Amino acid sequence: DAGITQSPRHKVTETGTPVTLRCHQTENHRYMYWYRQDPGHGLRLIHYSYGVKDTDKGEVSDGYSVSRSKTEDFLLTLESATSSQTSVYFCAISEETGNTEAFFGQGTRLTVV
Amino acid sequence: QKEVEQDPGPLSVPEGAIVSLNCTYSNSAFQYFMWYRQYSRKGPELLMYTYSSGNKEDGRFTAQVDKSSKYISLFIRDSQPSDSATYLCAMSMDSNYQLIWGAGTKLIIKP
Repeated sequence: DAGITQSPRHKVTETGTPVTLRCHQTENHRYMYWYRQDPGHGLRLIHYSYGVKDTDKGEVSDGYSVSRSKTEDFLLTLESATSSQTSVYFCAISEETGNTEAFFGQGTRLTVV
Repeated sequence: QKEVEQDPGPLSVPEGAIVSLNCTYSNSAFQYFMWYRQYSRKGPELLMYTYSSGNKEDGRFTAQVDKSSKYISLFIRDSQPSDSATYLCAMSMDSNYQLIWGAGTKLIIKP
């Protein structure tokens, strides 16, 4: 299995609070991604990174920010959590972008109450 | 209309049946086509990868791409209960673009 660890695996938080999810990789892959997965929508890209301090927005970036200060770590922050951000969040890594395999973490189940 | 359409299912078939899973897409520039399998409460994992048109076979799995019809398929022969999962298609134009995902089809293989 690709070395990807997401933490926490489960979290319940209150509306309006900030939340940070962490993704850690041991594969030294250049690209890292944060997706959310909701019924009927499949995987939707939130943000991605193509190097240390190099990030870009995805399809559903509003309300989220990211940081990558080291190759191995990619943080996703919900600045002020809302109930619409209740979802399963997946981190993924890849050597390149659209033409190579993406390896996924186990997911973080976030509930905003 | 989404760029990639995939029937969410669930698709329920008896063990041993041939399964056909499909995706349609609208962007004729897509060249890289992938099928991922996702077990319940797990992350997706790559199952099949195809570049451009044609067929690719790997054991019981065959991936087909028909670019003229903008249609891709995944066939599973001799289906097993362990094949029960959600199958997601994903595609991309080239290495400079992100993957675009289908919503996934939930497959149930009944013993």
